[in-house]
Amino acid sequence: DTAVSQTPKYLVTQMGNDKSIKCEQNLGHDTMYWYKQDSKKFLKIMFSYNNKELIINETVPNRFSPKSPDKAHLNLHINSLELGDSAVYFCASSSIVSGGEAFFGQGTRLTVV
Amino acid sequence: KQEVTQIPAALSVPEGENLVLNCSFTDSAIYNLQWFRQDPGKGLTSLLLIQSSQREQTSGRLNASLDKSSGRSTLYIAASQPGDSATYLCAVADATSGTYKYIFGTGTRLKVLA
Repeated sequence: DTAVSQTPKYLVTQMGNDKSIKCEQNLGHDTMYWYKQDSKKFLKIMFSYNNKELIINETVPNRFSPKSPDKAHLNLHINSLELGDSAVYFCASSSIVSGGEAFFGQGTRLTVV
Repeated sequence: KQEVTQIPAALSVPEGENLVLNCSFTDSAIYNLQWFRQDPGKGLTSLLLIQSSQREQTSGRLNASLDKSSGRSTLYIAASQPGDSATYLCAVADATSGTYKYIFGTGTRLKVLA
């Protein structure tokens, strides 16, 4: 039973399109995240939500809009996709109650052509 | 601003060798430090979590230590196996933002030769 699941796993799309990536966690965690892993494999935080409230927004272009309909879900919508958006996007979750251990999804490889 | 560095960037060892991966961070105000493994094209698998009040954690052949005052952590892998080949990432949960914000190092790419 997957703890943090993302869909889709692969996404190939043209420049200018709008796309969404979905994330769900079944761990009962109160905090969820989006991370971006670039071509050099460096992981950088984009957003953090705690109990559906935006906590961290790391100067990400406003073409990226996260949405948290409930504590178990954090979706990422990207408008007007650009070539530079190509990367692997990871969703993660954690909880202070459980010591802050972070669990990551399997990633979504986005390719913009 | 918290920065996390991992040395070496890449490491190639023969099977059976014991090895040490290093992680350093610039700000000691952390909640915890976590070691992950990432296989090519895959997600991150949590290996060990050390709380800021702890000195070390062990799981099987893995042992991670934390010296918060000097801003360092090491991951010790005993009797390495080809299946250990992967990229190892350390991440600190930065406390300065008032919430858990995980800042990652650049990773160590490990190859264990059969």
